[in-house]
Amino acid sequence: DAKTTQPTSMDCAEGRAANLPCNHSTISGNEYVYWYRQIHSQGPQYIIHGLKNNETNEMASLIITEDRKSSTLILPHATLRDTAVYYCIVRVGYRDDKIIFGKGTRLHILP
Amino acid sequence: SAVISQKPSRDICQRGTSLTIQCQVDSQVTMMFWYRQQPGQSLTLIATANQGSEATYESGFVIDKFPISRPNLTFSTLTVSNMSPEDSSIYLCSVEGKGGSSYNEQFFGPGTRLTVL
Repeated sequence: DAKTTQPTSMDCAEGRAANLPCNHSTISGNEYVYWYRQIHSQGPQYIIHGLKNNETNEMASLIITEDRKSSTLILPHATLRDTAVYYCIVRVGYRDDKIIFGKGTRLHILP
Repeated sequence: SAVISQKPSRDICQRGTSLTIQCQVDSQVTMMFWYRQQPGQSLTLIATANQGSEATYESGFVIDKFPISRPNLTFSTLTVSNMSPEDSSIYLCSVEGKGGSSYNEQFFGPGTRLTVL
């Protein structure tokens, strides 16, 4: 079973920051938080990952709480092309390991 | 990174027939993963394929229904056998690869959209 809980869907206005929450209260010490997204009719795409520190890349920022039981993915300036299903996943990131997908959050960017 | 191609991209098949889906990667990888995504649903892992050994199937999936081959480190096939309309799904191949200097990420193929009549 997936180890994460996410809202089923969210709306965000174009140009605003999209904040997607994820609960992972049973995360282990050696597990990372990964985020992927799936744009309609495409394979999932990696966005960002982190262990305990906040992370930022060209796509997004990841904020992980101090107790690591939850995190938030932030898309700073959402565009219509960010409409997708976003999956929060916990996994051991340094070795080959299967990914178990939860249901994800369907993000709608509104014009 | 890894670039993955799948063949066919889509197919429409008759009940009771079988379809073999091919997955080709542009680099050698240890493990390849096959997922199914039913309409409107999330991805479900079918099996993990290692080169030189039998695939490891997840609960609810069996080799007779979804035989997998892994002849080398860049190629795998998934066969959907004795198909029924319930097998209508997108089938995705993925591999583990280096996303950066210090971490792994999974890369996904474009998927094969299967419709069974």
